[in-house]
Amino acid sequence: EVQLVESGGGLVKPGGSLRLSCAASGFSFSIYSMNWVRRAPGKGLEWVSGISSSSAYIFYADSVKGRFTVSRDNARNSLHLQISTLRADDTATYYCVRDLGSPGPFDYWGQGTLVTVSS
Amino acid sequence: SFELTQAPSVSVSPGQTASITCSGDKLGDKYACWYQQRPGQSPVLVIYQNTKRPSGIPERFSGSNSGNTATLTISGTQATDEADYFCQAWDSSTAWQVFGGGTKLTVL
Repeated sequence: EVQLVESGGGLVKPGGSLRLSCAASGFSFSIYSMNWVRRAPGKGLEWVSGISSSSAYIFYADSVKGRFTVSRDNARNSLHLQISTLRADDTATYYCVRDLGSPGPFDYWGQGTLVTVSS
Repeated sequence: SFELTQAPSVSVSPGQTASITCSGDKLGDKYACWYQQRPGQSPVLVIYQNTKRPSGIPERFSGSNSGNTATLTISGTQATDEADYFCQAWDSSTAWQVFGGGTKLTVL
């Protein structure tokens, strides 16, 4: 069974940082591209970042470029998102997502981890 | 930049057909997919590559994509179909995944 389990969310002050992690199991993690998608309260889904299977290709939405860094460890079946210089509008549930076709669609989603940016 | 537009809300009576549309410039030249997100749950892929249903998705969910519009059709709508629905496509010019703003489906 495919499982994606996020962790690392929490309450952080504006300008602060967090490191989100996603533990993957039940599939060959190293051959899939992975993505982060977020949903802010009262808003829709927003793609944040994507990383290819070997980390050769990395992409970011304009809204997070320069502040967020995605990485993966295929030996440990894990995906990470370092989020920095956080702003109030980064408040959202962040989902770890498997990419079925590189690019897309996203066939498996984690349960999400909530990041709240507030003073 | 490439954008996808959805109506904020659609209402349907139980047993009737719901149509949710997604519009974008030359969207028919791309693959569109659709996600269902019920309150408090993670999104679920219900249609990919315009018309394909993942395993486990009921046959009442179908999709089409032509011109500038992709459509998700739910036949014989049930109360359990009440959710937010998001379309998605990949913008090859930026390598970004783009989501529509979402449509809240209400089953009255």
